Amino acid sequence: DAKTTQPNSMESNEEEPVHLPCNHSTISGTDYIHWYRQLPSQGPEYVIHGLTSNVNNRMASLAIAEDRKSSTLILHRATLRDAAVYYCIPASGGSNYKLTFGKGTLLTVNP
Amino acid sequence: ETGVTQTPRHLVMGMTNKKSLKCEQHLGHNAMYWYKQSAKKPLELMFVYSLEERVENNSVPSRFSPECPNSSHLFLHLHTLQPEDSALYLCASSRYGVGGDTGELFFGEGSRLTVL
Repeated sequence: DAKTTQPNSMESNEEEPVHLPCNHSTISGTDYIHWYRQLPSQGPEYVIHGLTSNVNNRMASLAIAEDRKSSTLILHRATLRDAAVYYCIPASGGSNYKLTFGKGTLLTVNP
Repeated sequence: ETGVTQTPRHLVMGMTNKKSLKCEQHLGHNAMYWYKQSAKKPLELMFVYSLEERVENNSVPSRFSPECPNSSHLFLHLHTLQPEDSALYLCASSRYGVGGDTGELFFGEGSRLTVL
């Protein structure tokens, strides 16, 4: 499994953009980059994933560096409900069933 | 509501008890998972079932015994647990495997287990 490095914690203000970084310098060529988040007292939920190109969905955007050794999850306008632990997880395809969670980044959103 | 339901939400048991955790998914998925989340530790993958066959057993002690009678139900049978087994046990499902572009994991809200 590729090793990831994320800040332990970050802080943001409500309605401001948030950029959550992730380093995954040992990522393999077939690994997709997945992001999940875990709100307090809940199970993790899927946010977004991508391979090489930047990706957008209704929750967030994912910017992937050209060398794929890092990525950034972008929340365009943080809300209080976005306060959670965010996990960046490289994982390969095929018959792989492993999604290995690290410690993630605890995002605090101030009103 | 993720489509993955876990019961009970809270369980307190003694070290000599036998209990079971139940997970049910209403998503038509083919793979189901048990994860353990201890305080201040990352989620740990315990077991994976694909099409009712166990495809991953992540060096879990035998006092945890999984069962997958069909693709919609997953159980975790617990016996002679230790206090250090107290944790949040999370069930998840996916359409196929995870990783790549094969889709996402859907998690339940977890069963909070306390072993006295």
